[in-house]
Amino acid sequence: VQLMESGGGVVQPGRFMRLSCAASGFSFSGSAMHWVRQVPGKGLEWMAFILHDGETRYYAESVKGRFAISRDNSRNTLYLQMSSLRTEDTALYYCAKDRGGGSLDFWGQGTLVTVSS
Amino acid sequence: SFVLTQPPSVSLAPGETATISCGGNDLKNMFVHWYQQRPGQAPVLLISSDIDRPSGIPERFSGSKSDDAATLTISRVEAGDEADYYCQVWATTSGHGVFGGGTKLTVL
Repeated sequence: VQLMESGGGVVQPGRFMRLSCAASGFSFSGSAMHWVRQVPGKGLEWMAFILHDGETRYYAESVKGRFAISRDNSRNTLYLQMSSLRTEDTALYYCAKDRGGGSLDFWGQGTLVTVSS
Repeated sequence: SFVLTQPPSVSLAPGETATISCGGNDLKNMFVHWYQQRPGQAPVLLISSDIDRPSGIPERFSGSKSDDAATLTISRVEAGDEADYYCQVWATTSGHGVFGGGTKLTVL
């Protein structure tokens, strides 16, 4: 199983950014997926969830209405579209596979997003 | 919003047994999962659904739950167990994942 995030970098407040997570080594189209973020030196914060078929999506209150999770099962890729970015969105963003029951059994290495003017 | 409470830190000597608690309202009706995160690395799932240890996780790691308190137990602690440990639940009714604040384990 491999999950590889990309798309991070430095972005100005108020702008948008799209993160990608390339998946391999498992049935991506049969797996629910999550995004989790971590401010450097701080704890883990769950961000978003998408069911295997993309029909069901959930978001943390802190990003609802600004972030959108999506997936392309034909490309084995998970996305996180982030808009109206704020300085407090600065964090390492991980994608993770759902094992079932809401546990996350495989994680990528993360991509760093820095929101700064 | 739902909150999971963990002690900020635990310190003990090699060979001792570490217990890390995780408390939350109505935890008895949720599955609790545990993760280990070593410095500079991604989290690793240690325990799923209260007590289930995924393949490859040493038997020294075990989980339990009683009422609204879950516990991660690490037997015969080693220097390599120094890490941050997080509990997590999936709140089915609201469709939200929640992590505890994390516990830093220090092996003296």
